[in-house]
Order: sequence, then C-alpha cells, then structure tokens
Amino acid sequence: ETGVTQTPRHLVMGMTNKKSLKCEQHLGHNAMYWYKQSAKKPLELMFVYNFKEQTENNSVPSRFSPECPNSSHLFLHLHTLQPEDSALYLCASSQDYWGSTSGNTIYFGEGSWLTVV
Amino acid sequence: DQQVKQNSPSLSVQEGRISILNCDYTNSMFDYFLWYKKYPAEGPTFLISISSIKDKNEDGRFTVFLNKSAKHLSLHIVPSQPGDSAVYFCAASSYVQGAQKLVFGQGTRLTINP
Repeated sequence: ETGVTQTPRHLVMGMTNKKSLKCEQHLGHNAMYWYKQSAKKPLELMFVYNFKEQTENNSVPSRFSPECPNSSHLFLHLHTLQPEDSALYLCASSQDYWGSTSGNTIYFGEGSWLTVV
Repeated sequence: DQQVKQNSPSLSVQEGRISILNCDYTNSMFDYFLWYKKYPAEGPTFLISISSIKDKNEDGRFTVFLNKSAKHLSLHIVPSQPGDSAVYFCAASSYVQGAQKLVFGQGTRLTINP
C-alpha cells in the first residue's frame, strides 16, 4: 500500500466511449502526476499538477483530459481513444513538485490497465 | 533520444548471489537518481536513491553506486532472494525551469532462481 489509489484497475472501452480514470492520494502530497507505460517503452510522463494547477502537459493528445479538483484527487478523462492508447496508466504523487530539494521521491499507484477496442 | 538507458532487458541470478543492475545516462544535469521495483500488475515502488554529490548509498541488501564521470549507476542486491524477482527501473531527476522532472529507463527484468 503506497497511499496512492487508482480506480478502476482494469478498463476496456470502445473508441467512441467516454470514460475516466480516478486517482486519490492519502499522503498529504502537493503534486500529482499521470504516467503512461506502453509495452517495451519507458514510463512516459503525461501531466503534472502542483497545488491543483497543471504545470506540465507533455505533448499529450487532447483525447486525454486531466482534471485535478483538489490536491488529493486526480482524474484522467478519456474520449475517442485509439487502440494504440492501450497501456498501463499510472498515477503518482510527491510532496512538492517545485521543491527546493532534489530527489523528491515520487510514489506510484498500482495503475489502471486500459484496453481500447 | 533516450536520456536514461538500461541496456539489459533481463537478468537471471542464483538465489544468494549478487544481482547487479546497470543504468547509463546522457544528461549531466541530472542531480538525483532513483531505483524503482515493479511487480506485475502493480505500480512501481521506490527502492533506493542517490544524490549526484555521492558515489554510494546503502540500504540493507541494496546498494546504489554512482560513477559521474562515466554517467553510470548500478544497483547491487546481495544476497539475492526469490522475492527480488521483478522489473527494476532506473530514473534520473533534474530541475528544468524550477520544476523537477523524472526520466525513466526501459527497465530490467530480474529473475532470481532458487
């Protein structure tokens, strides 16, 4: 148990569907992240939120839409996805994205396996 | 252009022996390095880290070595145990425009044989 909870753990959706992934962290952290892990590729950073404000969008297509209503919750809204978007989507959090100390450990959730059919 | 590389996709080690996982990086601006461990169907779990001002950090059975001149770091696990079988990710951190960014390698699958 890392303190970062993701739901659902598995999701199968059609290309015309709209669905959302949810993440909640119980660590009192200020920064939250969405990462994508595709087969045989390194973890890719998608979005970063710090104190509920989006600080980074790593050239992610607009069919992925993040939402951070408060510093404990992060959503990833999905619509009109493509089969190549099938991957493991990982939420993570850390104490302070803009922190002055290096090595701010990032804690990951267990991930949401997404299959687009 | 991959800034963090783990050139061995897999490694097999006998139980009780030493496991050595390697990682190379290209960006000299990285100032902190981390190792994460990942079991199937779970998210990565933080294992150990090292600051760029150090060359070694030890935590129980796990030791991370950093060679800045070679831009190389390694994770040593000794003695290796069956529960260590997992995928290990190397990650490097830097500050870009005041914000921390973490770059991951592709991962190395470690298998500990009984």
